[in-house]
Amino acid sequence: GAGVSQSPSNKVTEKGKDVELRCDPISGHTALYWYRQSLGQGLEFLIYFQGNSAPDKSGLPSDRFSAERTGGSVSTLTIQRTQQEDSAVYLCASSLGRAKLFFGSGTQLSVL
Amino acid sequence: SQQGEEDPQALSIQEGENATMNCSYKTSINNLQWYRQNSGRGLVHLILIRSNEREKHSGRLRVTLDTSKKSSSLLITASRAADTASYFCATDGYQGAQKLVFGQGTRLTINP
Repeated sequence: GAGVSQSPSNKVTEKGKDVELRCDPISGHTALYWYRQSLGQGLEFLIYFQGNSAPDKSGLPSDRFSAERTGGSVSTLTIQRTQQEDSAVYLCASSLGRAKLFFGSGTQLSVL
Repeated sequence: SQQGEEDPQALSIQEGENATMNCSYKTSINNLQWYRQNSGRGLVHLILIRSNEREKHSGRLRVTLDTSKKSSSLLITASRAADTASYFCATDGYQGAQKLVFGQGTRLTINP
């Protein structure tokens, strides 16, 4: 596709359930980021993939959060045993190295 | 902790006036970027300024960078109602990493 695609656009889940969020970056982009944004707040860095290097996981808030990037393309962010404080918009972005980021429209996660 | 911090948190001006937003950061950087966000979803890249540059222009946007003060400013001239959005600065190089870290943003409202 022409841009970064995220799915689903909205996800409602019950506390304790696992969720998977998907990101399709722009073809050829070597870098992929996941950020989290609570209502009215800034972007909280979660994880960064760059080519074949080990991902920078320093922003993951707990071991319930994990992410993978298969074949250097599609990425999945998994949240296990969701909590109400996980409710937020999860944003994915991709770029060519240290160039500007192209963002997807995000996934609004609501944990009831 | 966040690398970039924007100031002010909120700014409301009349259409036609100039809007200035500031960003401060903590450690040395490779580049600093400004992004705009409408309606709490995906961000759009506005401008990138490298650490060896002091000023950059793009249309009605002017960005300055003062590495000695670890600060940047974004000036929007002749503001329009469509400029109403949240504006974020992002920096890399925090703790020697390549990842882009965002500030909390400035909410700009342009009154007609």
